[in-house]
Amino acid sequence: ILNVEQSPQSLHVQEGDSTNFTCSFPSSNFYALHWYRWETAKSPEALFVMTLNGDEKKKGRISATLNTKEGYSYLYIKGSQPEDSATYLCAPAEGYQKVTFGTGTKLQVIP
Amino acid sequence: NAGVTQTPKFRILKIGQSMTLQCTQDMNHNYMYWYRQDPGMGLKLIYYSVGAGITDKGEVPNGYNVSRSTTEDFPLRLELAAPSQTSVYFCAIQGPTEAFFGQGTRLTVV
Repeated sequence: ILNVEQSPQSLHVQEGDSTNFTCSFPSSNFYALHWYRWETAKSPEALFVMTLNGDEKKKGRISATLNTKEGYSYLYIKGSQPEDSATYLCAPAEGYQKVTFGTGTKLQVIP
Repeated sequence: NAGVTQTPKFRILKIGQSMTLQCTQDMNHNYMYWYRQDPGMGLKLIYYSVGAGITDKGEVPNGYNVSRSTTEDFPLRLELAAPSQTSVYFCAIQGPTEAFFGQGTRLTVV
């Protein structure tokens, strides 16, 4: 089981602000990293799957970067909107089956 | 194409009762997972399967059993339910480029 840390635990931002959060994980035996968006009372929704050092992925106003050598990934949200309010989970994997979820960063966007 | 389907959505069990949480996928994924999510905690892996006939324990397997007789189905069995098993359970499939979760089962053991 990997030691996965996400920071901050929670975050309040004003509508229109840009924000970012961090996922830290052990860099050895890295296989892939998943980012999920999880709204209350719903199931987690996959945002990105990243595998290569230096990977950058983008989906609308949300983007992510990956550094496997130092063991971190950043998730960025540009121009936050109220509908971005959710918990953002990262899940690094040592292999297909060895996936560990972080406890998430809970984002609240204030209109 | 329904993705990952979990049933039931809600269930209340009495201590000592048993039940099976059903998970079915129609995406032909080999890798299937069961997680539980406790209040204020992250998702913890209970069991996983890398293909029909192959299952293995995750981080918190005690009190649970699984089977994988087909690619499509991955049921999770609770034997002798305990209050500590009160949680939200998610079934998921995860591959190199995609991942899908079921809608979740909210289980309360009283």
